[in-house]
Amino acid sequence: GDSVTQMEGPVTLSEEAFLTINCTYTATGYPSLFWYVQYPGEGLQLLLKATKADDKGSNKGFEATYRKETTSFHLEKGSVQVSDSAVYFCALIPNDYKLSFGAGTTVTVRA
Amino acid sequence: GAVVSQHPSRVICKSGTSVKIECRSLDFQATTMFWYRQFPKKSLMLMATSNEGSKATYEQGVEKDKFLINHASLTLSTLTVTSAHPEDSSFYICSARALTSGRAGNEQFFGPGTRLTVL
Repeated sequence: GDSVTQMEGPVTLSEEAFLTINCTYTATGYPSLFWYVQYPGEGLQLLLKATKADDKGSNKGFEATYRKETTSFHLEKGSVQVSDSAVYFCALIPNDYKLSFGAGTTVTVRA
Repeated sequence: GAVVSQHPSRVICKSGTSVKIECRSLDFQATTMFWYRQFPKKSLMLMATSNEGSKATYEQGVEKDKFLINHASLTLSTLTVTSAHPEDSSFYICSARALTSGRAGNEQFFGPGTRLTVL
């Protein structure tokens, strides 16, 4: 079935460091891909998305490119802040519209 | 953007009681709402898919008599945890899918979650 595999954490970084969270997927057809962020004690917020191959989603300094050839959607940010500390989930929606989530990656940014 | 609310945000109840959680789409109509459960430091587990005016579709292993779902209108779905026990304590999150066609309609908007603690 359709699934998402993302880099296991936790990840601890210093402020202004470069962040990469790897995400690969398995799906039939052409799924839409998402990154969600969950701040402590809160629900999920959509961070960015891409709906077709080579699309680049971006928001709040985060970017991810839909790579069909490598079935990947890696999340990157060039300079993280303490406020970026959260759990990040990679997800996909295949044709049946059920979101499949990765396991989540906890990111902690230290001042 | 599309906003989904959940009420209550936190609830503490005694074992054996029932708890109702509401999920509302505030500024759009949702043909489909989803209920997830999240365990500590874990990903979200889809519990059921709720379509307005019809019975919910439950994922394998989820007890439909335990977790009652009602989707009475295009803006409201409720999850009732019946005869709650401590093992039902969890973070419950709903999402709503907008009433639009095409790939853009696949996006789900999430509520802020409800923390249930059963004593």
